[in-house]
Amino acid sequence: GAGVSQSPSNKVTEKGKDVELRCDPISGHTALYWYRQRLGQGLEFLIYFQGNSAPDKSGLPSDRFSAERTGESVSTLTIQRTQQEDSAVYLCAARDRGTYEQYFGPGTRLTVT
Amino acid sequence: SQQGEEDPQALSIQEGENATMNCSYKTSINNLQWYRQNSGRGLVHLILIRSNEREKHSGRLRVTLDTSKKSSSLLITASRAADTASYFCATDGGGTSYGKLTFGQGTILTVHP
Repeated sequence: GAGVSQSPSNKVTEKGKDVELRCDPISGHTALYWYRQRLGQGLEFLIYFQGNSAPDKSGLPSDRFSAERTGESVSTLTIQRTQQEDSAVYLCAARDRGTYEQYFGPGTRLTVT
Repeated sequence: SQQGEEDPQALSIQEGENATMNCSYKTSINNLQWYRQNSGRGLVHLILIRSNEREKHSGRLRVTLDTSKKSSSLLITASRAADTASYFCATDGGGTSYGKLTFGQGTILTVHP
């Protein structure tokens, strides 16, 4: 596709359930990032994939959070045993090799009740 | 953690006026980027300035960077109602952090028609 897409756009889940968020990056963009944005706040870095290198997981807030990426395509962010503080918009971004600009998807708004 | 501090937190102006937003950061950078976000989602890259640059222009946007003061400013000239959005600065530390952006808290700009 022309841009980064994410699904679902909205997700409401009960506390304690697991959720899986999906990101489809721009074709050919080798770098993929996940960020979290709490209401009224800036973005917090979560995890970064670059080609076949080991991902940079330094931003994951707890071991309940994990992410995978298949080659240079789709990525999934999984949150296990969700907590209310996980409620946020989760944004995915892609970057082309040799450039700095990131292209963001529309995000998934996660609400944990 | 949030590296950037932006001020003001909110700015309200009339159409046609100029808007200036400031960003300060703490660690050395490779580049600094400004993004715009509408309706709580959809970040769009506006402009990038490298650490060896002092000023950059793009249409009605002007960005300055002072690495000695670890600060940047974004000026939007002749503002329009469509400029109403949240504006975020994001720093890229380069090196092993290449491409990993650290965002500020953002400035909410409201342009009244």
